[in-house]
Amino acid sequence: DSGVTQTPKHLITATGQRVTLRCSPRSGDLSVYWYQQSLDQGLQFLIQYYNGEERAKGNILERFSAQQFPDLHSELNLSSLELGDSALYFCASSARTGSTNEQFFGPGTRLTVL
Amino acid sequence: GQQLNQSPQSMFIQEGEDVSMNCTSSSIFNTWLWYKQDPGEGPVLLIALYKAGELTSNGRLTAQFGITRKDSFLNISASIPSDVGIYFCAGGYYGGSQGNLIFGKGTKLSVKP
Repeated sequence: DSGVTQTPKHLITATGQRVTLRCSPRSGDLSVYWYQQSLDQGLQFLIQYYNGEERAKGNILERFSAQQFPDLHSELNLSSLELGDSALYFCASSARTGSTNEQFFGPGTRLTVL
Repeated sequence: GQQLNQSPQSMFIQEGEDVSMNCTSSSIFNTWLWYKQDPGEGPVLLIALYKAGELTSNGRLTAQFGITRKDSFLNISASIPSDVGIYFCAGGYYGGSQGNLIFGKGTKLSVKP
């Protein structure tokens, strides 16, 4: 158990809909990262938050957004969903930006868009 | 997006054999990490490397940070059935404001008892 929790475990929805994925980092970790994993693309970095502020953006679509709250949990919002958004979405956390890259991953949310 | 070249893509080995996999990049990293992912689970950190030339072990696993800082390898000795899974390398930069990792596409390991 990495100490990172994600909910829900599975999500099935229809095209055009909007969903929210939730992540709670390990106790004390200030950085949260979101990754998308699909069969043909591997693990793709989406976005990083550090202590409530956005720090880095990767291949994140404009239809996707994220935020980190004062209690350090984070939410990833996916809107106008398309079939191709079906994937595993992982959240990871690390202690402090710049001190280490050791990221600890949650169990993931499997999103299926029908 | 940017990705690392990880090889081999898959391996089928006999229990007890040693395994070697590697990652190369066109960019320099100052961190290399190795993760293992079981089906339906999140990646689990195996080894983290922070210095060029560094050789680190974790049980039967040994990983090295290449001298050029553009490559890393992972060895597994005396493989057992529970070693089955997908192994990912990841390169990153620490010391700056961003800590995201770049992942390889993974090496799928199958172990025959």
